[in-house]
Amino acid sequence: RKEVEQDPGPFNVPEGATVAFNCTYSNSASQSFFWYRQDCRKEPKLLMSVYSSGNEDGRFTAQLNRASQYISLLIRDSKLSDSATYLCAADTGRRALTFGSGTRLQVQP
Amino acid sequence: DTAVSQTPKYLVTQMGNDKSIKCEQNLGHDTMYWYKQDSKKFLKIMFSYNNKELIINETVPNRFSPKSPDKAHLNLHINSLELGDSAVYFCASSPSASGSWEQYFGPGTRLTVT
Repeated sequence: RKEVEQDPGPFNVPEGATVAFNCTYSNSASQSFFWYRQDCRKEPKLLMSVYSSGNEDGRFTAQLNRASQYISLLIRDSKLSDSATYLCAADTGRRALTFGSGTRLQVQP
Repeated sequence: DTAVSQTPKYLVTQMGNDKSIKCEQNLGHDTMYWYKQDSKKFLKIMFSYNNKELIINETVPNRFSPKSPDKAHLNLHINSLELGDSAVYFCASSPSASGSWEQYFGPGTRLTVT
């Protein structure tokens, strides 16, 4: 079983839609979690950290469910510019992160 | 600009050659990493250094040798390149003092071995 698993998608949604991604992790000792965005042929960029209390940044909301060992990302009012691959990451306990293989989002006009 | 930078951006070379990739960060971070992203887009850690000390050395062939001359630089030397080494190699750094290990990536080096 992979340490961090994501549905690869693609998720094809119309502009303005709300879309949610989930990501499960297997290491119950993981303490910190993140969502990254990766555009085609570019580096992953930190989108947001994920806290137990949940956190929101504009149209983006991240949640952590420790009991079920998953994190989620909700994008409201999708824009064409949101089209990208979204990677979730969890700390490994060894001063590093392990990444999921990414979920591809395509927002269509 | 404060950032993680890598050189070169593109590297095309033949099997059997030796090549190096350089990485520098001016974010003042203590920890630096090398990741490999293969054609299936899976991002896999290879090495990490904290203040020039090797912390993580995943099951990577010993043809790959990282070197950290100081905490702002982490280079990767690859000997006897093979076709399977073709991938994008990302350098990253992390402000370990925060304890949360969020990482900031360089632009990547796209290596093609022919």
